[in-house]
Amino acid sequence: GQNIDQPTEMTATEGAIVQINCTYQTSGFNGLFWYQQHAGEAPTFLSYNVLDGLEEKGRFSSFLSRSKGYSYLLLKELQMKDSASYLCAVIDSNYQLIWGAGTKLIIKP
Amino acid sequence: DVKVTQSSRYLVKRTGEKVFLECVQDMDHENMFWYRQDPGLGLRLIYFSYDVKMKEKGDIPEGYSVSREKKERFSLILESASTNQTSMYLCASSLLNTNNQPQHFGDGTRLSIL
Repeated sequence: GQNIDQPTEMTATEGAIVQINCTYQTSGFNGLFWYQQHAGEAPTFLSYNVLDGLEEKGRFSSFLSRSKGYSYLLLKELQMKDSASYLCAVIDSNYQLIWGAGTKLIIKP
Repeated sequence: DVKVTQSSRYLVKRTGEKVFLECVQDMDHENMFWYRQDPGLGLRLIYFSYDVKMKEKGDIPEGYSVSREKKERFSLILESASTNQTSMYLCASSLLNTNNQPQHFGDGTRLSIL
């Protein structure tokens, strides 16, 4: 079957750095997305990776290793507004999007 | 900016009722999707559509149907609502042939079936 694993919940301190991991086992791979979802709101797009390596976008970076079936989202200089769930999603060989259950990130002052 | 609008944020219905959830997008996207989101589970695809009058089953289509009469509108129908269909329902849209184009989501409808 197809599977995406993320930690259920993480806690970090304002101003710090946090890394949210995502491992996947899917039938094929055509790209990986990270989304942010604040409580009660719609998921919003953060990043897309299809080649190995690091993609940086301001305070957020996303890394991909296709050989290891692994990605992470790195958040720097954490702010209280970064408290949200972070969803990892993989495009499989049929171009279907497979979603992880999401990681709830709690930021403490 | 893409705007995906779902008709209701909160909805309460009774078991056995026929329920309609409406979704409209304003960016001329070909693809539209209906998901449900439950605690501890990832987004689960119910149905999707890549063109007017076209529909494809997702992972959990049982108990649901959809309608796409116009490109901008995609409706989800619960034929006879049951309590296990209490959930958050999310609509999304995207461009066709979109490896790297993200899906854009509406704010969701929190549906309770009593």
